[in-house]
Amino acid sequence: ETGVTQSPTHLIKTRGQQVTLRCSSQSGHNTVSWYQQALGQGPQFIFQYYREEENGRGNFPPRFSGLQFPNYSSELNVNALELDDSALYLCASSLGQVNEAFFGQGTRLTVV
Amino acid sequence: GDSVTQMEGPVTLSEEAFLTINCTYTATGYPSLFWYVQYPGEGLQLLLKATKADDKGSNKGFEATYRKETTSFHLEKGSVQVSDSAVYFCALSEVGNEKLTFGTGTRLTIIP
Repeated sequence: ETGVTQSPTHLIKTRGQQVTLRCSSQSGHNTVSWYQQALGQGPQFIFQYYREEENGRGNFPPRFSGLQFPNYSSELNVNALELDDSALYLCASSLGQVNEAFFGQGTRLTVV
Repeated sequence: GDSVTQMEGPVTLSEEAFLTINCTYTATGYPSLFWYVQYPGEGLQLLLKATKADDKGSNKGFEATYRKETTSFHLEKGSVQVSDSAVYFCALSEVGNEKLTFGTGTRLTIIP
């Protein structure tokens, strides 16, 4: 059974650019959640996808968007990058409920 | 809204010392409570959980008891090891709510 995998592991972008982060959910999981973890802080919920539909959203602007595919993998897209978007982006997959969320290793995004 | 307050770190202990990391929460309903651990360069791993009042979660020598009367979920371990060095996050999720709400994390360093 494969775990949650995220790509890329690190990337550097320039302010104003767009970025796409990818997540492959754990085998059998149909729900993917994305979190932003700023340096020295706890993760903050961005949104969740369940069976290809957005199933809840945190306090993030519309330039943060996502997709979930039929195989339950997911993408996080961020437009018009700002310096404050620099963070570790974590993907978590689960089977339905959030209670059994399994996290990937994260993508470290640096905006310069 | 929901929130989690954790004991501020960093915490440095000698090997075999007793560990307590305090966590208190604010929630409108009856949340499930979690402790996650993040080792250097890795994503979050679920350490233990409790889903109702007076439940005790335990794993790898760590334990925490869900105390509704004090809205607390303190993490304890009787004898820490160098390998326990990591960042520990307390978190909650409410029934019917899709997100995890995290505390800011406590960095633990164990000295041989």
